Amino acid sequence: QSALTQPPSASGTPGQRVTISCSGSNSNIGLNTVNWYQQFPGTAPKFLIYSNDKRRSGVPDRFSGSKSGTSASLAISGLQSEDEADYYCAAWDDSLNGPVFGGGTKLTVL
Amino acid sequence: EVQLVESGGGLVQPGGSLRLSCAASGFTVSSTYMSWVRQAPRKGLEWVSAIYSGDSTFSADSVKGRFTISRDNSQNTLYLQMNSLRAEDTAVYYCARGAVAAQADVWGQGTTVTVSS
Repeated sequence: QSALTQPPSASGTPGQRVTISCSGSNSNIGLNTVNWYQQFPGTAPKFLIYSNDKRRSGVPDRFSGSKSGTSASLAISGLQSEDEADYYCAAWDDSLNGPVFGGGTKLTVL
Repeated sequence: EVQLVESGGGLVQPGGSLRLSCAASGFTVSSTYMSWVRQAPRKGLEWVSAIYSGDSTFSADSVKGRFTISRDNSQNTLYLQMNSLRAEDTAVYYCARGAVAAQADVWGQGTTVTVSS
């Protein structure tokens, strides 16, 4: 069981706004920043959002991140078919003294 | 160009050992934090092991005492020595640059480890 909890799936139609949640605890999200990774089938993860809400260079501004308390969210607005992928949140865990991932959310564009 | 290339994966019997390598180019492994992340078939990502400055390390509970992360600065290469392998260690193993704050900005293409008799 992952230290961070994500819904296994999410979906939306082109142009819609979808949100993916990531729930943690006081030892991880409550104390540290959250990052988001995007992964397409058969490929390595891509570092998407860091420090809660900062987009990496080249990431469209349709992608945004936020954090409140022990939870975080990734929002994708103006959904496009190429956004269909798996999304993972990650944060440092002070109890484990190491990084942890969420279980991942499979985003389907209908 | 900043790049990571893993090698060393393969088929191994339960209880066996394997050493994964990750050759870095475009930066030096000695000057940054490095990680190994794995993904079992049809499963999510798991941060397996990381090495920090001063060579302090992190290992997930699932591999503690069996896997050892190290680096050879002269070869600019990261390693993962895996002993006492189990079927549940079957996964694609990725090498990544970064670990602290759970930020990994460069990833290799992955190498597949299959533990089966």
